[in-house]
Amino acid sequence: GDSVTQMEGPVTLSEEAFLTINCTYTATGYPSLFWYVQYPGEGLQLLLKATKADDKGSNKGFEATYRKETTSFHLEKGSVQVSDSAVYFCALSDITNSGGYQKVTFGTGTKLQVIP
Amino acid sequence: DAGVIQSPRHEVTEMGQEVTLRCKPISGHNSLFWYRQTMMRGLELLIYFNNNVPIDDSGMPEDRFSAKMPNASFSTLKIQPSEPRDSAVYFCASSLGLAGANEQFFGPGTRLTVL
Repeated sequence: GDSVTQMEGPVTLSEEAFLTINCTYTATGYPSLFWYVQYPGEGLQLLLKATKADDKGSNKGFEATYRKETTSFHLEKGSVQVSDSAVYFCALSDITNSGGYQKVTFGTGTKLQVIP
Repeated sequence: DAGVIQSPRHEVTEMGQEVTLRCKPISGHNSLFWYRQTMMRGLELLIYFNNNVPIDDSGMPEDRFSAKMPNASFSTLKIQPSEPRDSAVYFCASSLGLAGANEQFFGPGTRLTVL
């Protein structure tokens, strides 16, 4: 079945450091890929997405490129801020065999802590 | 525009009691999801509705859990009887169109504690 693997956290960085959170996936079809972010005490919210190979999703200084050859969708940001402290979830959506709907599979999440 | 609304935000109950969690999706969205989040198991999809019809309930843990969507603006998740291992944060999410293709909008969650 489909799966998403994320690097384990927590990741602790100083403000203005470069961020990479690794994400790899396994899927039977041609999935869409997402990064969601969860701030403390809140629900998840979409950060960025990519729907086909070589697409780059970007938002709020974050970027991720859909790499089909390496089945990866790593999240990057050039200069993190304290306000970026949150849990980041990589996810994919793919057609399942039952009912033909695109089920979303989430990774386990990576906690990012940015210190001043 | 209001986002996904969940109630209550916090629920503390004793083992064996019935618990009902409520969700109002974003107006116009026709897909609704219930998730459970724990430290041990992460984020798990419990059930997915499309146009008020349950499409995938394979994630519902056992018969103690049930979910309904009587209309497009309301859904409930019921646990009866509740057990301590049900303690978790339960999220409701909604989206436009078929699941997976579009962004899911999450509610703030209900933190359930079963003593």
